Amino acid sequence: AQKVTQAQTEISVVEKEDVTLDCVYETRDTTYYLFWYKQPPSGELVFLIRRNSFDEQNEISGRYSWNFQKSTSSFNFTITASQVVDSAVYFCALSEAQGAQKLVFGQGTRLTINP
Amino acid sequence: DTGVSQDPRHKITKRGQNVTFRCDPISEHNRLYWYRQTLGQGPEFLTYFQNEAQLEKSRLLSDRFSAERPKGSFSTLEIQRTEQGDSAMYLCASSLGGTSVDEQYFGPGTRLTVT
Repeated sequence: AQKVTQAQTEISVVEKEDVTLDCVYETRDTTYYLFWYKQPPSGELVFLIRRNSFDEQNEISGRYSWNFQKSTSSFNFTITASQVVDSAVYFCALSEAQGAQKLVFGQGTRLTINP
Repeated sequence: DTGVSQDPRHKITKRGQNVTFRCDPISEHNRLYWYRQTLGQGPEFLTYFQNEAQLEKSRLLSDRFSAERPKGSFSTLEIQRTEQGDSAMYLCASSLGGTSVDEQYFGPGTRLTVT
């Protein structure tokens, strides 16, 4: 069975600090996809990134970066120079490559950026 | 607005009553998903449609739950004889359904409160 663990339940930092959100996953599939979603206080899940299991290149998008390490089954997310608007709950998710391709979510990390 | 829409946004009902939620996916998306999210948890998969066919259901979806997607467009989720444990946010998502795993776009959700 697939499983995603986000060990950090809550993180609180001061604005402009860098922060890393951890994600560890379990799957028996050789091909799978990993995602990060943001859920701001308004409640709607916002897609951030998708990564397939064959692409271990790190990705950077503005202040956001993702580190995928297959050897440790981790897909960590770093926000550089955090801003108050980054405050949200962040979810890591795993999807099978075939069939329903349903998302299996972690429990989420609540990130609070204090001014 | 061409995103996923859900109606109603909030529903309060008494235990034992039936409720029905509607989801309108992004128009060209073939895949439609229902998830349930309880407080402090990540979303959990309920069911999946490929066009009008319901292809997978979670064990979470008891006999009191039924979902349809007539004509492969909008979808409805009905809960019969609601119980207090059904109180949750019900999320709908859609994806393109191409040859690879596409990101799922989520609607704003329907928050159900059973009193």
